[in-house]
Formats: sequence, C-alpha cells, structure tokens
Amino acid sequence: DAKTTQPNSMESNEEEPVHLPCNHSTISGTDYIHWYRQLPSQGPEYVIHGLTSNVNNRMASLAIAEDRKSSTLILHRATLRDAAVYYCILRDFAGGTSYGKLTFGQGTILTVHP
Amino acid sequence: AAGVIQSPRHLIKEKRETATLKCYPIPRHDTVYWYQQGPGQDPQFLISFYEKMQSDKGSIPDRFSAQQFSDYHSELNMSSLELGDSALYFCASSLWRAEAFFGQGTRLTVV
Repeated sequence: DAKTTQPNSMESNEEEPVHLPCNHSTISGTDYIHWYRQLPSQGPEYVIHGLTSNVNNRMASLAIAEDRKSSTLILHRATLRDAAVYYCILRDFAGGTSYGKLTFGQGTILTVHP
Repeated sequence: AAGVIQSPRHLIKEKRETATLKCYPIPRHDTVYWYQQGPGQDPQFLISFYEKMQSDKGSIPDRFSAQQFSDYHSELNMSSLELGDSALYFCASSLWRAEAFFGQGTRLTVV
C-alpha cells in the first residue's frame, strides 16, 4: 500500500483557516486521495477526496499538487468541533490486493483553541 | 439519512468466549469493511466484502471470521477471545469507488 506522511499534530485558533499537509510521494496513478477525521470514541468521518483536481465541499477543500505527490486539506474557518485526528489515506481500486480498503496510518491531531 | 448500524454498541465477554458483531450497511451500498481500533491506536483493517464476496483481507486473526449475507448485512465472529481483543470494532460501507461511511462502533471488552 502506498504510504502517507503527516505531521503528528497541529494547532489552530477558532475561526482561522487550517492547512493540513500530507505527503504521498509513492502514489500510483490509480490512487485516490481521501481524508477522514475521527473524534474520540467515534467512527471515522469522511471529509473529502480527490484524484487529480482540487475539490471543494461543504466541509473542506482539497488541494492536490500537480505531480500528486502531496496534498493539503483546508478547513476554511476552524471551529471547536473540528478538533479531531485527521487521516490522509490513499485508496486504490485497481484490484489484485486492493479493493478500496482504507489503510489508516498516523494522522494529524488537530487542536483548536477558542 | 440512513447510516451504518452496528450492534451491539457494547459487549463484555470473558476470555475464551465467542462474540458476534453485526453490521447493517447503508441501503444499496455494495461494500462492507471491518476495522479494529485498540486503545490509543489507529484503526486497523480486518476484512472487506464486495457484493457478498470477500474482497480484501488484512490483519485478521485466524480466530476471527466474517461473512456478508444476502441482505448485505455482515457479521464478524470472534472465537477464543483474548484480553488483547478488547477494542472498538468499526464497520463501514460504501458504494464501489465512493466514500466510506463508518458506524458508531462496537466496544468489546474481554475480561
């Protein structure tokens, strides 16, 4: 499985933008870039995903580098409810040994200060 | 909107006992994933099913088995339980190539 690298932790102030980076230098052409977040004792929650182009939804934006070796999750205005562990995951549907499973690595613990 | 439903939410078992966890995916979703998350750890992939056939297998112990039934619900069967099996078990469902939605999990405590 292609791996991702994220900072262990980041901090932000409420109502400020947050940029969460992710490196995935070994990404393959069939890997989708997914972001999930998890609050304590809750199931992971889907945030956003993309393949090549930048993506926006009601929760966040995803900026993907032109070479696809890195991406950035952008929370436009952080709230206290955004405090969570954020996981950047490469998801492959190419078949063989991977049918879209999500492999969680070490995510980024986001702390939001009031 | 309907979400992934897991039952039971909490389960306490003794060592060497058997446990069965159930997962009801979102209607019309064709893929189910099972994850185990120990205290302070990241979710670990166990097994997945696509259209009722096993599609991926992760670090699932031989004491565990799973299947997906004709109505698409899935069950994770765990035998000869050990203290180390105490964890949160999550089920997720998705449509092929779409985002996965996770349930609230089953907290298994082995005593």
